[in-house]
Amino acid sequence: QQQVKQSPQSLIVQKGGIPIINCAYENTAFDYFPWYQQFPGKGPALLIAIRPDVSEKKEGRFTISFNKSAKQFSLHIMDSQPGDSATYFCAASYGSSNTGKLIFGQGTTLQVKP
Amino acid sequence: DVKVTQSSRYLVKRTGEKVFLECVQDMDHENMFWYRQDPGLGLRLIYFSYDVKMKEKGDIPEGYSVSREKKERFSLILESASTNQTSMYLCASSFPQGFTKTQYFGPGTRLLVL
Repeated sequence: QQQVKQSPQSLIVQKGGIPIINCAYENTAFDYFPWYQQFPGKGPALLIAIRPDVSEKKEGRFTISFNKSAKQFSLHIMDSQPGDSATYFCAASYGSSNTGKLIFGQGTTLQVKP
Repeated sequence: DVKVTQSSRYLVKRTGEKVFLECVQDMDHENMFWYRQDPGLGLRLIYFSYDVKMKEKGDIPEGYSVSREKKERFSLILESASTNQTSMYLCASSFPQGFTKTQYFGPGTRLLVL
């Protein structure tokens, strides 16, 4: 019930394509869903996040779609660029908790070919 | 600019050695975390600390211990390193107030146990 399942494990797209990364969760008590981006040799960094009271959030070329009834959420990268090549992690947490603990998905390695 | 630093980027140790991984943050954050990152398994929480001298086990604490004597410093200790502890270790910190509690990560320590 504490798991977040992420797919696919790896993804290769051409420049300009729209990679989509999917995540699913079981625990309906989760109320905060961030995505982290990790470049080689660096630690992950917060990219974009959503709360379950909205169905979509967009920041620049990155969009989260959220389906509360299906307990799924996904990251879309519009007009993908080689600079977007990185590992992406979805996560879930209890925003109301002071610990700030995150449960991470398994990660998706994205390669955007020029 | 927020900063989380880890004492080593690469470390090679022998089976049975005691290993110390150190993490320092300059953001006055109460919460600090240790994760290990393995391909296909994502980020798994080893231990976290929500205050000086306070700690809680994460999902995979076996074989590890932690120490937090000062607010800015969180150490991960492998009492007797084993080959299955070869991994990337990531430290993170976050502020406990607010809903998002963004975690800020260090660059990671890649540990090889021979």
